[in-house]
Formats: sequence, C-alpha cells, structure tokens
Amino acid sequence: KAGVTQTPRYLIKTRGQQVTLSCSPISGHRSVSWYQQTPGQGLQFLFEYFSETQRNKGNFPGRFSGRQFSNSRSEMNVSTLELGDSALYLCASSFQPGQVPYEQYFGPGTRLTVT
Amino acid sequence: QQQVKQSPQSLIVQKGGISIINCAYENTAFDYFPWYQQFPGKGPALLIAIRPDVSEKKEGRFTISFNKSAKQFSLHIMDSQPGDSATYFCAAILNDKIIFGKGTRLHILP
Repeated sequence: KAGVTQTPRYLIKTRGQQVTLSCSPISGHRSVSWYQQTPGQGLQFLFEYFSETQRNKGNFPGRFSGRQFSNSRSEMNVSTLELGDSALYLCASSFQPGQVPYEQYFGPGTRLTVT
Repeated sequence: QQQVKQSPQSLIVQKGGISIINCAYENTAFDYFPWYQQFPGKGPALLIAIRPDVSEKKEGRFTISFNKSAKQFSLHIMDSQPGDSATYFCAAILNDKIIFGKGTRLHILP
C-alpha cells in the first residue's frame, strides 16, 4: 500500500506570495491533518479534515487555510507569505478521526523556504 | 496548560546502553500519549503509545513508563542501536487534537 505522498517536496517562495501544498492520503484513509515543523516551535498542528469538512483547527492565522476533496486528497494554502512561514509542512492521514490507537501516518513533508 | 515539555533536547548514548527521554504535561484531561520517531528527510512515525490508565507499556526494546500523579511519562530504549539514532517526539492528545513535545535528538555511538 502506498504511503502518504506530498507534493512538491521542496519549494522556494518570496515574501508576499502565496503557496499551495498537496497531500494524497493512504488509500482508504479519510482523515487528513496538517502540521508545521520548525526548529524553534517543533511540530504544531494546523488543521484536520474529514469528509471534506474541517474538524479541528490549531492556533494559526487565517492566512493558513486548507481543503479536502471528495477523494480525500487535501491541499493547504498559505497566503501573503512571511519569512517565519519557512518550515517543513507535514501531512498525516488516518482511517477516521478519533481512531484509537491514534494511528496517523505522516508523509515526508514539503520543505518551504520563504526569501 | 496545553504544553508538553520534553527533555533532554539531545542525547548521546553508547551502543547497548539505555536511552531515556522524559516528558511532562499539565492538563490532566489528555487521554492518549504517543511517541513518534523521525529520521532525517522523513515524516514522524508512531513508535508506541499509552493510555493514562496504564503505568507501563513495552514493545520490543521500547518501553513507555507513565506516572499519572506526577504528570510525567518517559520513553526507554533498551539495548540502544545506531539505527535508533533519530529525533523522538512525545505527544499528548485531547479531543483529537495532538500536542507535541519539542523533540529529542538521539545519537547512538557505534
């Protein structure tokens, strides 16, 4: 079974631009979560989607948004990029929310650099 | 109250030794405590997890010890191997929201 895939793997953008990252979950998984990973703040939860609906949201500004499609694929968008948005963005999928044990499978991430 | 404090930030252990990573939390409502292992260039992978009504869970060389009264839990890696060199994250879950510790970079000397 193929794992979680994320595209692109690396991205360089300029301040003020916007960016869209894509995540394809494991086949059959319907829940997708997004995380931001930085050396200073570690891993921080952005949001979770299930059945095309946002279920949970972390403490990030409205510039960060996402969506999920009917095939469970998900995208996240960051508008008006700031230097501090440089990070590894991770996507994780699970069969369904609240599944115990809490098994979510992470993709390799998209490394975003904002200059 | 939503923080999970992890220590140490980095750890060097001799091959065959025991690696110990500690985490502490404040919110007693957390209901699940997973540990993740992350290798460079990869996303984190679930290693082992425990519920707060259990004091210890062992899977192979990995053991979680949980002290509910002290609001602390730790990961023990027995017979540590160079292949265990990675970054380890503890986490706590409440209402399907996961809070991660800042991570511990573990290096096992061959």
